[in-house]
Amino acid sequence: EVQLVESGGTLVQPGGSLRLSCSASGFSFGSYAMNWVRQTPRRGLEWVSSLSSSGGSTYYAESVKGRFTISRDNAKNTLYLQMTSLRAEDTALYYCAKDLAELWPEGSFHVWGQGTMVTVSS
Amino acid sequence: QSALTQPASVSGSPGQSITISCTGTRSDVGDYDHVSWYQQHPGKAPKLIIFDITKRPSGVSNRFSASKSGDTASLTISGLQAEDEGDYYCSAYTSSRPFHVLFGGGTNLAVL
Repeated sequence: EVQLVESGGTLVQPGGSLRLSCSASGFSFGSYAMNWVRQTPRRGLEWVSSLSSSGGSTYYAESVKGRFTISRDNAKNTLYLQMTSLRAEDTALYYCAKDLAELWPEGSFHVWGQGTMVTVSS
Repeated sequence: QSALTQPASVSGSPGQSITISCTGTRSDVGDYDHVSWYQQHPGKAPKLIIFDITKRPSGVSNRFSASKSGDTASLTISGLQAEDEGDYYCSAYTSSRPFHVLFGGGTNLAVL
């Protein structure tokens, strides 16, 4: 069974940092592009970041560019999102999502984790 | 960049058909074939139900169909069932910058 399990979400102060992890199983992790998508009741779903299967190409939403870094460890079947300079508006449920496409992201999010909650507040 | 535009809510009776629209621009919905639709039930993660405008992933009911005309994509659900209630989101790749994905604001479907 294809499965994604996110972890690392917590309460953090504005300006703080946090690293989210997504553990993958049930598929050839290193063959697929991967993504982070976040959701809030007010803004709905928002694409955050994507990277290629090798991790060599990364892409970011304007709202997080320069503050968030996406990466992966294919040997550990794990996707990461390093978040710095966190703001109140980063408060959201963060989902890890497997792209439908191998190699390069195509923006079709085939399999989703259950999400991990990040709250940025003092 | 603005999100794609969807109606906030739609409703239908069991057995009926409904259509949800998703309007973008010629830089996103109108430009590429990578338009997707997601279904989300309360407290659950979204589920991909349509990709590449019209294709259904394995296991998705053929009651779900989709199309695109110009800058607007549409999702049609036929033979409405109570289990179809939930939120539906469209998404599209945009060419206005290096790889970037836009989502619609979501449409809540009520089966009355």
